[in-house]
Amino acid sequence: QVQLVQSGAEVKKPGASVKVSCKASGYTFTSYYMHWVRQAPGQGLEWMGIINPSGGGTTYAQNFQVRVTLTRDTSTSTVYMELSSLRSEDTAVYYCARAIIAVTDRGKPDAFEIWGQGTMVTVSS
Amino acid sequence: DIQMTQSPSSLSASVGDRVTITCRASQSISTYLNWYQQKPGKAPKLLIYVASSLQSGVPSRFSGSGSGTDFTLTISSLQPEDFATYYCQQSYSTPPYTFGQGTKLEIK
Repeated sequence: QVQLVQSGAEVKKPGASVKVSCKASGYTFTSYYMHWVRQAPGQGLEWMGIINPSGGGTTYAQNFQVRVTLTRDTSTSTVYMELSSLRSEDTAVYYCARAIIAVTDRGKPDAFEIWGQGTMVTVSS
Repeated sequence: DIQMTQSPSSLSASVGDRVTITCRASQSISTYLNWYQQKPGKAPKLLIYVASSLQSGVPSRFSGSGSGTDFTLTISSLQPEDFATYYCQQSYSTPPYTFGQGTKLEIK
């Protein structure tokens, strides 16, 4: 079955970086876009960015433009999200979410169809 | 950026009730509107795609409607497992993909 499995919880100090992985299985990895969404404790959902696993192209939310980097490894069907210059406000659960649209369907309505289990990142001194 | 506003922010209801949640976009988004359900400690789950298309495996008591700026999610007869937080999300004008603030559905 289609599945996204994320790496485990992280505790980081302010100013550090964190890299979260998301391993996909059960479908052709390069065929579907992958998004990252985060959720601070008790708060709503915030979209961070999207990567095309086929070509590696990325688009980021303005709020994260300078600090976030999405990459992928096609040999292991894994997408990575790295967030730098961490601050306490970055404490959140980070989710990867596979798009409902294939990379060949750009322009069609998108949605977050399959989600990882989430990775808790805690930023504390 | 397109702003998404849900109402109400929280709602108390009983098993068997009919419940409607509203989502309003700050500009027209056609039917590029999705609904998600999130239970505590779990990832969100896609319920409805492009305003009214029920995802596979989602019970038929869930339905969605609307176009342009105004959308609704309706649960025709609440079941115990439906108590959760619901989010709307637009994919019309991206980036960014934006969510509503959420509606917490609680047991009365």
